[in-house]
Amino acid sequence: GAGVSQSPSNKVTEKGKDVELRCDPISGHTALYWYRQRLGQGLEFLIYFQGNSAPDKSGLPSDRFSAERTGESVSTLTIQRTQQEDSAVYLCASSLYGGATDTQYFGPGTRLTVL
Amino acid sequence: SQKIEQNSEALNIQEGKTATLTCNYTNYSPAYLQWYRQDPGRGPVFLLLIRENEKEKRKERLKVTFDTTLKQSLFHITASQPADSATYLCALDMSSSNTGKLIFGQGTTLQVKP
Repeated sequence: GAGVSQSPSNKVTEKGKDVELRCDPISGHTALYWYRQRLGQGLEFLIYFQGNSAPDKSGLPSDRFSAERTGESVSTLTIQRTQQEDSAVYLCASSLYGGATDTQYFGPGTRLTVL
Repeated sequence: SQKIEQNSEALNIQEGKTATLTCNYTNYSPAYLQWYRQDPGRGPVFLLLIRENEKEKRKERLKVTFDTTLKQSLFHITASQPADSATYLCALDMSSSNTGKLIFGQGTTLQVKP
């Protein structure tokens, strides 16, 4: 079946603009994660959704970052007033139940460039 | 806070040899440790998970060890092939409630030469 998809694949924006990134998880997966990967760095956890529970936002770097998820489907990550340090690849992953031993399936990422 | 260190220098080996990659972590020992493969322009792909009470885990040509005393995991690829060339990431669950919130190392790039 279809894997995790993300759109757009590339986004170039000007400093100060808002951007919205989209993630379509694997159908039936209750858990969804957002990570950020800066050039040459490991992935940084941003936010975690599990079913109808309140999201774990502990990884969001500032209040300019927010994310929503509609039920157990699409999620959007919004970055307001973008800064150059926001330039990175934003990766989304989903898993069936969200446990530590549950395999996370990653999308291809959205490469964000802030000029 | 928990930190993960992987050798940032690329590892270059000859086809057919065994590649060994290292992952060291600080602070508490996690209940689980995972290894992922990442190709350029793609998201990571899960390879293996090892639990704290397992010393070793194997899958085909892959072998992972987990030493909670040394706070280290080793990832081995035997009979390496050029197709194994990629960046390999280790990851730990950073949540006390084991929710799958992962912290990743920066990865080690492996280049297998024919």
